[in-house]
Amino acid sequence: DAGVTQSPTHLIKTRGQHVTLRCSPISGHKSVSWYQQVLGQGPQFIFQYYEKEERGRGNFPDRFSARQFPNYSSELNVNALLLGDSALYLCASSLTLGTPNTGELFFGEGSRLTVL
Amino acid sequence: GQNIDQPTEMTATEGAIVQINCTYQTSGFNGLFWYQQHAGEAPTFLSYNVLDGLEEKGRFSSFLSRSKGYSYLLLKELQMKDSASYLCAVNPRGGGYQKVTFGIGTKLQVIP
Repeated sequence: DAGVTQSPTHLIKTRGQHVTLRCSPISGHKSVSWYQQVLGQGPQFIFQYYEKEERGRGNFPDRFSARQFPNYSSELNVNALLLGDSALYLCASSLTLGTPNTGELFFGEGSRLTVL
Repeated sequence: GQNIDQPTEMTATEGAIVQINCTYQTSGFNGLFWYQQHAGEAPTFLSYNVLDGLEEKGRFSSFLSRSKGYSYLLLKELQMKDSASYLCAVNPRGGGYQKVTFGIGTKLQVIP
């Protein structure tokens, strides 16, 4: 079975541009979360989508947006890119929203964004 | 909110045992994850503790004390391939969504 797939794997943008990152969750998983990982830090929560609705948002500016499609795949959009947006963007899928006894996140390989 | 502390770096010898500690403060708690992340790769799941106590899975064990806000990951019979970052992450309760909060990660270097 395919795991979480993300595209593109690497990309370079310049300040002020926008970027769209894509994620396909594990088959049967309805929840997709996005995380930003800056070099040397742990992943930081950006969004969680479940059943095509935004269910949670981290401390990121409105330049960051996302959506989930009927097939549960997801896109992360970042507008007006800044140098500080350079990071590894990780998509994670899980079966449900996460209950006390479940909720393992399965991560994709990530999209490494460099902003020049 | 959540606050997670873990050492930034550790070094251990091949074949030895190493313990990576994690302390956390959180307003709501469902469980604690440990993930392994090799350089340039995605995090991979190691363990998830919900109840107090030790859970063993092969060479890796994870311990949780909810009352103390403390966890550790124990790696036995270290191998060179265990050189990686180990991320402690809290699965919080409430809010209707799953905002898993990660620590900074402990970079473990295994030396011959």
